[in-house]
Amino acid sequence: SQELEQSPQSLIVQEGKNLTINCTSSKTLYGLYWYKQKYGEGLIFLMMLQKGGEEKSHEKITAKLDEKKQQSSLHITASQPSHAGIYLCGAFRLTDSWGKLQFGAGTQVVVTP
Amino acid sequence: DTEVTQTPKHLVMGMTNKKSLKCEQHMGHRAMYWYKQKAKKPPELMFVYSYEKLSINESVPSRFSPECPNSSLLNLHLHALQPEDSALYLCASSPDEGTKYSNQPQHFGDGTRLSIL
Repeated sequence: SQELEQSPQSLIVQEGKNLTINCTSSKTLYGLYWYKQKYGEGLIFLMMLQKGGEEKSHEKITAKLDEKKQQSSLHITASQPSHAGIYLCGAFRLTDSWGKLQFGAGTQVVVTP
Repeated sequence: DTEVTQTPKHLVMGMTNKKSLKCEQHMGHRAMYWYKQKAKKPPELMFVYSYEKLSINESVPSRFSPECPNSSLLNLHLHALQPEDSALYLCASSPDEGTKYSNQPQHFGDGTRLSIL
């Protein structure tokens, strides 16, 4: 099965500082998703990347897909308390059905004053 | 705010009870999903419905019974659950199941926190 490794597992960042989360797949990536989850709540869709070299931004969050490295990065600029939460990357499993979304273990982000 | 609505938000039940979780979306999506999430773990897929037909069952025990009455509604019927079934149950929807060349982002509800006594 396709495995997704996220790093770091957790990080603490001071408000106003930048942070980067990485997601690496052991198998071919056909699409990479980033979600954010607050504890005990649902997942909020952030971005979807499909093509190698693709880069998307929304507000202060930028995600990139490096198809050759089978890797994606999520970068937050000038972090704010609202950026705190668990960030999950997800990718489709390589099976007959493309409805199977598999997630990485998640990265917990804490933003301190 | 989420466009996928799940009820109830919290549910406590005994091992002999029968209860149902409900999920509703009005985005015109034709694929709907149930996920189970244990504490500090990522969500794990349980079932996929595509155009109101069960498309994927990830070898889920029969004490979980999904139902898709129409394209907007998804139920998860629970019976004789075990304490280890306590978890956050998430519903999601997407325009359709997607293909290799046209992935579809899934949109999630806020979940139902289930506790089995």
